[in-house]
Amino acid sequence: KNEVEQSPQNLTAQEGEFITINCSYSVGISALHWLQQHPGGGIVSLFMLSSGKKKHGRLIATINIQEKHSSLHITASHPRDSAVYICAGRLGGNYKLTFGKGTLLTVNP
Amino acid sequence: DGGITQSPKYLFRKEGQNVTLSCEQNLNHDAMYWYRQDPGQGLRLIYYSQIVNDFQKGDIAEGYSVSREKKESFPLTVTSAQKNPTAFYLCASSSSQGTSNQPQHFGDGTRLSIL
Repeated sequence: KNEVEQSPQNLTAQEGEFITINCSYSVGISALHWLQQHPGGGIVSLFMLSSGKKKHGRLIATINIQEKHSSLHITASHPRDSAVYICAGRLGGNYKLTFGKGTLLTVNP
Repeated sequence: DGGITQSPKYLFRKEGQNVTLSCEQNLNHDAMYWYRQDPGQGLRLIYYSQIVNDFQKGDIAEGYSVSREKKESFPLTVTSAQKNPTAFYLCASSSSQGTSNQPQHFGDGTRLSIL
């Protein structure tokens, strides 16, 4: 069982819809990362957070430490948001990141 | 612009051959990482290096080797001992490791296939 679980695995939306991707983890973390992977394969770091909420443009990331849960929201989704979104956590006192399997988001025009 | 450059983008290997994947960064980062990505799985750590001339095995190091002779470079060799090398390989770097949390910057990846 992966220590970092994402849902849903696949998500299809219409342009303009509000998107939520969820990430749950099994042990305490020191930081939670949200990453975006485009079809070509390159990965971009979107957020790193250890508490509360962060916002960048139409993207919002939240984390609830007590519930061991984080969400990534996309407001006013656009076809260019189509990508795989990955959450990753530095679990416990571990040095390394543990990655979720990713959520494939497709936004149709 | 600072960033991470991986080359080549696509690589083909014959059975029994060793191949080396290049990773160069000009971000002045101390820590560098190699990950493997397979369909339906999360990224898995192969090797990482905190500082020049030092590196440690990750979760799936068997069949791989690395070197860290320069701060900017962290090449990964996929040896013939790696029985299932077909995968997407990603290199990453961060400004430090250990107790401090720093975002990791990723390259565009190398897709390795067996002929």
